[in-house]
Amino acid sequence: AQSVTQPDIHITVSEGASLELRCNYSYGATPYLFWYVQSPGQGLQLLLKYFSGDTLVQGIKGFEAEFKRSQSSFNLRKPSVHWSDAAEYFCAVAPNLYSGGGADGLTFGKGTHLIIQP
Amino acid sequence: GAVVSQHPSRVICKSGTSVKIECRSLDFQATTMFWYRQFPKQSLMLMATSNEGSKATYEQGVEKDKFLINHASLTLSTLTVTSAHPEDSSFYICSALGDLNEQFFGPGTRLTVL
Repeated sequence: AQSVTQPDIHITVSEGASLELRCNYSYGATPYLFWYVQSPGQGLQLLLKYFSGDTLVQGIKGFEAEFKRSQSSFNLRKPSVHWSDAAEYFCAVAPNLYSGGGADGLTFGKGTHLIIQP
Repeated sequence: GAVVSQHPSRVICKSGTSVKIECRSLDFQATTMFWYRQFPKQSLMLMATSNEGSKATYEQGVEKDKFLINHASLTLSTLTVTSAHPEDSSFYICSALGDLNEQFFGPGTRLTVL
């Protein structure tokens, strides 16, 4: 069974500082990888995704993530955070859809709560 | 972009009653929708996969007789929590599968069972 680990439950970063949120996955093959952000009262918003190709993917709001197969990791980064980035961040995986056919629900990590200090 | 709505956003009910939650894809058709459950300060757990015109597929440990799912059209899936109990209190989130197999999430429904 696939699983996702986000080792940091809370992270506090000063506004303007850089950010890295960690994500490790366990899966037999290379899955599809996603990062979502959840703000209070709002639905999950997709920040970026990796399906194949370039292992450094760019997303919205200035976020990027790097897929490292050897480390089974997909860490999210942002060079300079803004106060509006305070939210809950979820890493998620899905089986590679083109290998198995059909669509599957996502397996989510437990989330990392990002706090921005002024 | 693709928009998914949920109704109601919040519901409070008495123990033993049933509650229906609607999930709609507003500007696209979705053959497949998913239902997730999120406990406070925890992750989203997939409950079931809903396919239009066929029976839902439930994840292990999810009672299909308690969580009834109906996907009667390409834009609507409903989740009915039958005979709700306080332990069913949770945040229920749906998603609809759009183009390129991307899931678009609804804003969630907060269920409180007294």
